[in-house]
This record gives sequence, C-alpha cells and structure tokens, in this order.
Amino acid sequence: EAGVAQSPRYKIIEKRQSVAFWCNPISGHATLYWYQQILGQGPKLLIQFQNNGVVDDSQLPKDRFSAERLKGVDSTLKIQPAKLEDSAVYLCASSSLQGGGKLFFGSGTQLSVL
Amino acid sequence: GENVEQHPSTLSVQEGDSAVIKCTYSDSASNYFPWYKQELGKGPQLIIDIRSNVGEKKDQRIAVTLNKTAKHFSLHITETQPEDSAVYFCAAFLNNDMRFGAGTRLTVKP
Repeated sequence: EAGVAQSPRYKIIEKRQSVAFWCNPISGHATLYWYQQILGQGPKLLIQFQNNGVVDDSQLPKDRFSAERLKGVDSTLKIQPAKLEDSAVYLCASSSLQGGGKLFFGSGTQLSVL
Repeated sequence: GENVEQHPSTLSVQEGDSAVIKCTYSDSASNYFPWYKQELGKGPQLIIDIRSNVGEKKDQRIAVTLNKTAKHFSLHITETQPEDSAVYFCAAFLNNDMRFGAGTRLTVKP
C-alpha cells in the first residue's frame, strides 16, 4: 500500500514570495490533515478536510494561508506572502473514517523563508 | 482544548537499557493515545497506540500504559538499540482533534 505522498521535499524562498505544497493521501482515506512542525516542536494542526469539506481550520492563518481539496483526494496548501516565521516542516497526514484517529504521515516539505 | 505535556525533552541511555517517556493530557474525554517516532528528514511514524478502555498494550520491545484517573500515559522501550534513536511524540485524540506533545529526543549510545 502506497503511503502519503508529498512534494516538494524542500523549498527555499524569500519573504513575501508565495509557495505551494502538494499532498496525495493514502488511497481511500477520506480525512486529510495539514500540520506545521516548527523545529523542536510537535506538529500543530493547520487544517483538516473530510472528503472535500473543511472540518477544522481554526488554527490556519487565513490572511496568508489557504488550502483546498477540490475532488476529495489530493490537496494543496499555499502560503502567500510568506514570512520568516513560516519556516517549518509542513506535514500532510491522512486517515480512514474507520481508523479511529490513526493518522499516517507523509515525509513533509521543509520550507525555509529567507 | 486539549493540552499535552511530554517529559523529558531529551533522554540518553546506554544500549540495552530501558527508556521511559511520560505524557499528561488535560481533557478527560480524550479516548485515543498514539505514539509516533520521527527520524531525521522523515514524517512521524505510528509505533504503538492505546485506547481509553485499555490500561496497557505491548508490542515486542515497546509498551504503553495509560492511567485515566491521573490523565497520564507512558511509553516504555526495553533493550534499547541504536536504531531506536529518534524523536518520539505522544498525542491525545478527541473528536477529530489530535494534539501532540513537544517531543522527546532519545539517544541510544552503543
């Protein structure tokens, strides 16, 4: 079974530029999560989708971050414009509706904002 | 919302010794407690989990215990090996909301 796929693996941009990350969850997983992991900290939820609907985006900085999952499968997370404090690893995770909370993570995208 | 605290932040043990990592949570309604291992440059990988109706679960050298009354749970790794070196995260889950601890960096010295 293929795992959660993310791209790119690394991205370096200058502040005020825009960036986008892509995630393809495990086949059949209805729930998709985007987490931000700052160095030395645990993952923090940005947004959660169930199929193509948003379940929780309460911690998403909506003035600069946006995410979509138009067809209920893969998803993109965008930052525009980026700030220095956005430097982090962006992790995508997915779970099945029957999984009872069992999350499977991708390898993440490491973003450096200079 | 749920708050998860994890201790210690770093742990160094000799190969073959045991390692214990402890977490506390704030919301007594949380019902699922996974542990993740994260190696450098990789995403967190689920290594063991426990649900609130169980007090202990074991999988080879790894075990997790849960004390619902005290709202804390622990990861136990026995006979540690160098490949156990990684960052370990605990988490607590309630109503589609997964909250993570800050992580423990475990170093196993050969």
